[in-house]
Amino acid sequence: KAGVTQTPRYLIKTRGQQVTLSCSPISGHRSVSWYQQTPGQGLQFLFEYFSETQRNKGNFPGRFSGRQFSNSRSEMNVSTLELGDSALYLCASSLVVGSGGDTQYFGPGTRLTVL
Amino acid sequence: DQQVKQNSPSLSVQEGRISILNCDYTNSMFDYFLWYKKYPAEGPTFLISISSIKDKNEDGRFTVFLNKSAKHLSLHIVPSQPGDSAVYFCACRGGSNYKLTFGKGTLLTVNP
Repeated sequence: KAGVTQTPRYLIKTRGQQVTLSCSPISGHRSVSWYQQTPGQGLQFLFEYFSETQRNKGNFPGRFSGRQFSNSRSEMNVSTLELGDSALYLCASSLVVGSGGDTQYFGPGTRLTVL
Repeated sequence: DQQVKQNSPSLSVQEGRISILNCDYTNSMFDYFLWYKKYPAEGPTFLISISSIKDKNEDGRFTVFLNKSAKHLSLHIVPSQPGDSAVYFCACRGGSNYKLTFGKGTLLTVNP
């Protein structure tokens, strides 16, 4: 079974631009979560989608948004990029949401660099 | 407010010895705990988990211990191998919000 895939793997943007990242979950998984990883803050939760609905949201500004499609694929968008948005963005999928003990499986991440 | 803390940014052990990675949490609503391993340029890989109804879970060379009263969990790797060298994250979930809360990670280096 194929794992979680994320595209693109690397991205370079300039301040003020916007970016869209894509995530395809493991087949059959309906929940997709997004995380931001930076050296100083570790992995920080952005949001979680299940059945095309945002179920949980982390403490990030409104410039960060996402959506999920009917096939469970998800995208996240960052508008008006800032230098501090440079990070590794990780997507994780799981079978369901809100199920205690449901393991999340991570993709390889998209490395975003903002110049 | 950091709810999950991994106080050791790095740990170095000799091949064949035991590696012990520690994690402390503050949220008493957490009821499920996971360890992930991460190599550079890859996403975290699930390693082992434990629910709050247990105090120990073992999988091969990896054992996770949970001390609920101390709000502390640890990961033991025995024997340690050079291929175990990676960043290890503990993650906790629970309560009405099932998002994972991660620690900042511990870099484990296993020397041959």
